Amino acid sequence: AQSVAQPEDQVNVAEGNPLTVKCTYSVSGNPYLFWYVQYPNRGLQFLLKYITGDNLVKGSYGFEAEFNKSQTSFHLKKPSALVSNSALYFCAVRADSTSGTYKYIFGTGTRLKVLA
Amino acid sequence: NAGVTQTPKFQVLKTGQSMTLQCAQDMNHNSMYWYRQDPGMGLRLIYYSASEGTTDKGEVPNGYNVSRLNKREFSLRLESAAPSQTSVYFCASSDRLNQPQHFGDGTRLSIL
Repeated sequence: AQSVAQPEDQVNVAEGNPLTVKCTYSVSGNPYLFWYVQYPNRGLQFLLKYITGDNLVKGSYGFEAEFNKSQTSFHLKKPSALVSNSALYFCAVRADSTSGTYKYIFGTGTRLKVLA
Repeated sequence: NAGVTQTPKFQVLKTGQSMTLQCAQDMNHNSMYWYRQDPGMGLRLIYYSASEGTTDKGEVPNGYNVSRLNKREFSLRLESAAPSQTSVYFCASSDRLNQPQHFGDGTRLSIL
């Protein structure tokens, strides 16, 4: 079965410190991976994606993610956290459906709290 | 630039009532999606439409119906609302394959 796991419900980090939000996946075929961020009472906003190419993907607002095929992981990182980065983060993977179309499976989300 | 617009933003229903959640996108995207978000469960796909004229069931379709009215609009209908359908509902759209989804700001639905 195709799935995404975010093992941490919450991550706390001090402002200025590096942050990592973890994601592992299980898909058949090549993985197409995404990270989104959600602020209170808003929809999800796209941060970055991995389709192919370099294992280190750079995205919006200084975020990056490292794709590791052998560990089936796609962890979100930022070298220096800001209080404004406090939000809910979702990892997602493209899944192939039996009808030949495509849909996306989301993880359960990780709440990031950056402490001043 | 509106992006994805959902109406209404909030709604309270009584058990057994019906209602339709509306979604419209102005980005000329082919694919549209309906998700529900519940605490601790992330986003779960209810229905999606890969292109105008087609719809497919997602992970949790029971109790819902959808209509892809045209390329811009994708509505979600609850025929007989149940308390278990209390949730935040998000509509999303995307263009070509492997492009990111664009989300609306959600409809917060409470069923008493």
